[in-house]
Amino acid sequence: NAGVTQTPKFQVLKTGQSMTLQCAQDMNHNSMYWYRQDPGMGLRLIYYSASEGTTDKGEVPNGYNVSRLNKREFSLRLESAAPSQTSVYFCASRMIVSLSSGNTIYFGEGSWLTVV
Amino acid sequence: DQQVKQNSPSLSVQEGRISILNCDYTNSMFDYFLWYKKYPAEGPTFLISISSIKDKNEDGRFTVFLNKSAKHLSLHIVPSQPGDSAVYFCAASAKRNRDDKIIFGKGTRLHILP
Repeated sequence: NAGVTQTPKFQVLKTGQSMTLQCAQDMNHNSMYWYRQDPGMGLRLIYYSASEGTTDKGEVPNGYNVSRLNKREFSLRLESAAPSQTSVYFCASRMIVSLSSGNTIYFGEGSWLTVV
Repeated sequence: DQQVKQNSPSLSVQEGRISILNCDYTNSMFDYFLWYKKYPAEGPTFLISISSIKDKNEDGRFTVFLNKSAKHLSLHIVPSQPGDSAVYFCAASAKRNRDDKIIFGKGTRLHILP
């Protein structure tokens, strides 16, 4: 039971390089999310996708792009990495069942990205 | 503009006593609230949730209370155990408008003292 899988787990980039963080979920969830976690800042939403084929900006979208490749996969791309993007990135997914239940969001284990 | 606020960065509680973690929100469209626990180097894990149609939800040692008029929720852990030491995040979403955005607070680090 894999849940939410994200790769790579660790990455070091030079300023200006590009890279893509991959995320896949096997729970048939409609919604997928990318968050970043920084000390003292909590979990901040970068982008999300409420369904296959749709993406929306979150709280901190600048410097990132996303692709909802299919229902399972949601990738996050840094086109030109900056030191300010050094962070831990979490992918997550969920399925809305009803207003009263079944709305848990499941997280991956995180990707540690350092931009030097 | 923080929509979900956890104003206490850290909290220390004696083992066996009650831990109370607080969360405030500003967006009146939020109708579903969740609490997550996070250990270092791991992804957040779900603890408990509550919808706006309720004012209390209980699951074992964990109880979440929702005060919609005050836009405030709290997580009670009783009795507190050493394994409860972690960072706790409050989160909110507005499912009725279907955009399914989920916003988290900055977290509260809970220390359970022996």
